[in-house]
Amino acid sequence: QVKLLQSGAALVKPGDSVKMSCKASGYTFTDYIIHWVKQSHGKSLEWIGYINPYSGGTNYNEKFKSKATLTVDKSSSTAYMEFSRLTSEDSAIYYCARELRRVYQGPFAYWGQGTLVTVSS
Amino acid sequence: DTVLTQSPALAVSPGERVSISCRASEGVNSYMHWYQQKPGQQPKLLIYKASNLASGVPARFSGSGSGTDFTLTIDPVEADDTATYFCQQSWNDPPLTFGSGTKLEIK
Repeated sequence: QVKLLQSGAALVKPGDSVKMSCKASGYTFTDYIIHWVKQSHGKSLEWIGYINPYSGGTNYNEKFKSKATLTVDKSSSTAYMEFSRLTSEDSAIYYCARELRRVYQGPFAYWGQGTLVTVSS
Repeated sequence: DTVLTQSPALAVSPGERVSISCRASEGVNSYMHWYQQKPGQQPKLLIYKASNLASGVPARFSGSGSGTDFTLTIDPVEADDTATYFCQQSWNDPPLTFGSGTKLEIK
């Protein structure tokens, strides 16, 4: 079955960067777009962007364009998101999620368990 | 950006019918999707493209609407449906946007 396994929680200092991973299994990794979503404590969801694992093409929310970098490693079926110049506003749970279908339509059918990032000195 | 407006909270009794609304600031065609999120868990897709039931989701859940006004209906509601429900649009992007969520309490 489809699974997205995310890396564990991270405690980072203000100004640092963090790179989190999302390992896919149960399907052909290059066939489906992977999205990244931010959920601040007790709040709603914000779409960060997506990456097409086949082409490496990306599409970012303007709000996160200078903050997030999305990459993939096809050999290990893993997607990565690096978040830079962290501030307390970046403390949140970050989810990776897979498209429902092979074409981009937007519904996120499968979600990772989330990576909690805490920014604190 | 397309803003999605949801009412913050609802409370209903088991066995009742509940409708959760989502209004978009501009038309999104039928590209509205609904998620359920329980505390400490990741969101789960319930309905995609306004009215299509996601795999494994009970038929008690249904969706309707097009353009700017959408509704998620649960009939009948069960105790296990206690959760926050989010709408999300993928017609006007970037960015894809989510509603602020409706917290459903089962009395």
